[in-house]
Amino acid sequence: AQSVTQPDIHITVSEGASLELRCNYSYGATPYLFWYVQSPGQGLQLLLKYFSGDTLVQGIKGFEAEFKRSQSSFNLRKPSVHWSDAAEYFCAVGPPFGSNYQLIWGAGTKLIIKP
Amino acid sequence: NAGVTQTPKFQVLKTGQSMTLQCAQDMNHNSMYWYRQDPGMGLRLIYYSASEGTTDKGEVPNGYNVSRLNKREFSLRLESAAPSQTSVYFCASSEVGSAYNEQFFGPGTRLTVL
Repeated sequence: AQSVTQPDIHITVSEGASLELRCNYSYGATPYLFWYVQSPGQGLQLLLKYFSGDTLVQGIKGFEAEFKRSQSSFNLRKPSVHWSDAAEYFCAVGPPFGSNYQLIWGAGTKLIIKP
Repeated sequence: NAGVTQTPKFQVLKTGQSMTLQCAQDMNHNSMYWYRQDPGMGLRLIYYSASEGTTDKGEVPNGYNVSRLNKREFSLRLESAAPSQTSVYFCASSEVGSAYNEQFFGPGTRLTVL
């Protein structure tokens, strides 16, 4: 069955420290891959996406993600977190050349920033 | 540009009551979506509208109806609310339905059914 797993429900990181949020997927083919962020009281916002090509993808707000086909993973990273990065992060996957209504979403990882 | 707006932000219903969640977008997008978000679960698609005049069921449509009133507005109706419908509801839109197109989300409606 197709699925997306975000193994960490919560992650706590000190301000200025590096961050890695994990996303693993189970899918028949190499899917389209997405990371969205939900700040408190806000809707979700697209951070970055991977369709093909370079497996290291740059996004907004200083985030990047690396697609590793052999590990079926698409982990999100940031070298130095800021207090404003406190939010919930969602990974999503979809079929190649597919539609938004076919996306499968992970359960989310809540990022807590320690001052 | 307001983007995607949703009303109300919060709502408490009793079992059996009905209500309509409103969603509007001002980006001239063709496709619109309704999701629910439950703790420990990813977003689940309730209904979507690929273009004005069309609506289709998503993963969890039971207990809901939708109306694509015009290109801007896409409402979600609960005819007889049940406690299992307690959730946070998000409306989203995209220029077209292709996954190439970013989805833009509203701030959500937190619904509690007692």
